[in-house]
Amino acid sequence: RKEVEQDPGPFNVPEGATVAFNCTYSNSASQSFFWYRQDCRKEPKLLMSVYSSGNEDGRFTAQLNRASQYISLLIRDSKLSDSATYLCVVKDYGGSQGNLIFGKGTKLSVKP
Amino acid sequence: DTEVTQTPKHLVMGMTNKKSLKCEQHMGHRAMYWYKQKAKKPPELMFVYSYEKLSINESVPSRFSPECPNSSLLNLHLHALQPEDSALYLCASSQDPGQGSPLHFGNGTRLTVT
Repeated sequence: RKEVEQDPGPFNVPEGATVAFNCTYSNSASQSFFWYRQDCRKEPKLLMSVYSSGNEDGRFTAQLNRASQYISLLIRDSKLSDSATYLCVVKDYGGSQGNLIFGKGTKLSVKP
Repeated sequence: DTEVTQTPKHLVMGMTNKKSLKCEQHMGHRAMYWYKQKAKKPPELMFVYSYEKLSINESVPSRFSPECPNSSLLNLHLHALQPEDSALYLCASSQDPGQGSPLHFGNGTRLTVT
């Protein structure tokens, strides 16, 4: 069974902290990788696509390690507004877009 | 602000009612999706429309009936639902169904079945 595994947390961190989430996936043929954030009772919103070379967007850095089949998300200088659930999403090779596999999410709570 | 618009935002319906959820996108995306999400769970795929044709039905009960009138619109018709169908229903779209383009979600319809 194809799976995406995440630490459910919660991660409770103070403002300004650096926090890292990891996500592992079971299908080595997976092609595309994303991080979404979801606020309570809201829709998931795309945070970043994850590329093989790694990518950075402001305080957020995503990395992909194909050999070990994991994806990471690093958040620097955490803000209160970063509090949310972070979903790791993997697209499998050869399937239609419907073959997106969602992790169960990691909850982050940033405290003052 | 989301570019995928869903209506209504909230819906309460009885088990004998018939209602419809609506979704609209004007990004020129060719794939549209319905997901169901229960509290503290990730979204679960229900249906995928690719170029206005139903391409995936994840064994969804027939009391849920999708419809794609054109490339910008997606409906989900509801009939004889059960209380356990109460959930957040999310519509999403993506540029191309076969490639690695990400999904863009609407803000969802929170459905309560009484």
